[in-house]
Amino acid sequence: AQTVTQSQPEMSVQEAETVTLSCTYDTSESDYYLFWYKQPPSRQMILVIRQEAYKQQNATENRFSVNFQKAAKSFSLKISDSQLGDAAMYFCAYRRQDSGTYKYIFGTGTRLKVLA
Amino acid sequence: DGGITQSPKYLFRKEGQNVTLSCEQNLNHDAMYWYRQDPGQGLRLIYYSQIVNDFQKGDIAEGYSVSREKKESFPLTVTSAQKNPTAFYLCASKSHPYNEQFFGPGTRLTVL
Repeated sequence: AQTVTQSQPEMSVQEAETVTLSCTYDTSESDYYLFWYKQPPSRQMILVIRQEAYKQQNATENRFSVNFQKAAKSFSLKISDSQLGDAAMYFCAYRRQDSGTYKYIFGTGTRLKVLA
Repeated sequence: DGGITQSPKYLFRKEGQNVTLSCEQNLNHDAMYWYRQDPGQGLRLIYYSQIVNDFQKGDIAEGYSVSREKKESFPLTVTSAQKNPTAFYLCASKSHPYNEQFFGPGTRLTVL
């Protein structure tokens, strides 16, 4: 069964510094998608970045980038130049195909604190 | 603007009552999902629907029911059979061929 593990319940980073959030997953599929979602105090889930497993190149979105290691089944999120608005819960998610439909498996989240 | 709306934002229920959470989307998405979020457990899938008039159970469907009579709407009913319904509920939708889900703002349900 596919699982997603976020081993860091909480992380802190100084404003303007860089932080990396970890995510590992377990799957037997070769083609899949991975996502990072941000959930600020408003609790609205916001897509941060996505990665297609068949792509070698790591995805980037402005200050957010991933380090995708397919063989190691690792999908970490790097936030550069951290800002106070980055403080939130961050969830790693895996999309799996199940009998022709798509389901999403979420990790338990990492709470990121940004220190001024 | 296109998006997903959930109502109400806060809902209080007495034990033994059924309550229905609303989820509406005007994104013309085919697939819709309901998740439950508890502290320290991430999001868990309750029900999902790929097309109108069709839906499937997720990982924690017991005590919940849904309907999908219209493409835009996917209401979730929390029945009295749900033993611990106090939680935050999120609705999401997805459009083929895109891969990410879009989420509503959520409903906080509290059982008194």
